[in-house]
Amino acid sequence: GAVVSQHPSRVICKSGTSVKIECRSLDFQATTMFWYRQFPKQSLMLMATSNEGSKATYEQGVEKDKFLINHASLTLSTLTVTSAHPEDSSFYICSARDDRSYGYTFGSGTRLTVV
Amino acid sequence: AQSVTQLDSHVSVSEGTPVLLRCNYSSSYSPSLFWYVQHPNKGLQLLLKYTSAATLVKGINGFEAEFKKSETSFHLTKPSAHMSDAAEYFCVVSDRGRNAGNMLTFGGGTRLMVKP
Repeated sequence: GAVVSQHPSRVICKSGTSVKIECRSLDFQATTMFWYRQFPKQSLMLMATSNEGSKATYEQGVEKDKFLINHASLTLSTLTVTSAHPEDSSFYICSARDDRSYGYTFGSGTRLTVV
Repeated sequence: AQSVTQLDSHVSVSEGTPVLLRCNYSSSYSPSLFWYVQHPNKGLQLLLKYTSAATLVKGINGFEAEFKKSETSFHLTKPSAHMSDAAEYFCVVSDRGRNAGNMLTFGGGTRLMVKP
C-alpha cells in the first residue's frame, strides 16, 4: 500500500534555531501534500496545503514566514519551523494525496520540542 | 462547507464488549467519509472509508461503519473490543463535488479506553 515517510520522528532544538521536517511519498506521486499540527489531546489542525511547483496555501492564522513550506518534487515536501520558540512545540503530521487515486496517506508524525 | 462532529470525546468499554464511536457530518456534496486511528505519538492509520459504494463498510481489525444519509451519520462499530484497540479515533469527511479529492475535515476525536 501507499507509504509516506516523515522524518525526523522526534527532534529537540534550542529556541531561535530552525528545524526542517521532511515528508516523502515512497511509492506514489503527490502533487498535493498537507501539513497538520496537533496539540495534546486535540484533533489535527490543517496548517497549510503544499503544492508541487507553486506556493503553499496557508490557513488563516498560520504565519507563512515562520512555517516555510517547500514542495520541490512530486514526492517530497518539507516544513521548516524558523526561529523556533517553546510555543512551537507540538506534534506535526503530513499527509500526501495520491495523484492517481486521490487517496490520502499520513506520515507517522514529528514530535518537536523547543527548549 | 463540511463539518464533522464526534459526539463523544471519551468512550470506555470492557475487553470483549462491543464498541460504538459516533460521528455525524454535514456536507454540501456527496461526501467521502473515513475513520482513522491514532496510537500515542504515531501518525494516522486508515481503518475504513466510504466512497458511495456499499453503505456498510468493513475495515481492518474487525471495525465497520454504516453510512446513513438520512441521519447524516457514519458511526464506527466493532463487535468485541481488544486491549490493542485503545487509541484515538478520528472521523473525517471530504466533499466529492466538482473538485474531487478535496481537503479533509477532521472531527474532534474520540479516545477509546479498553478495560481488562
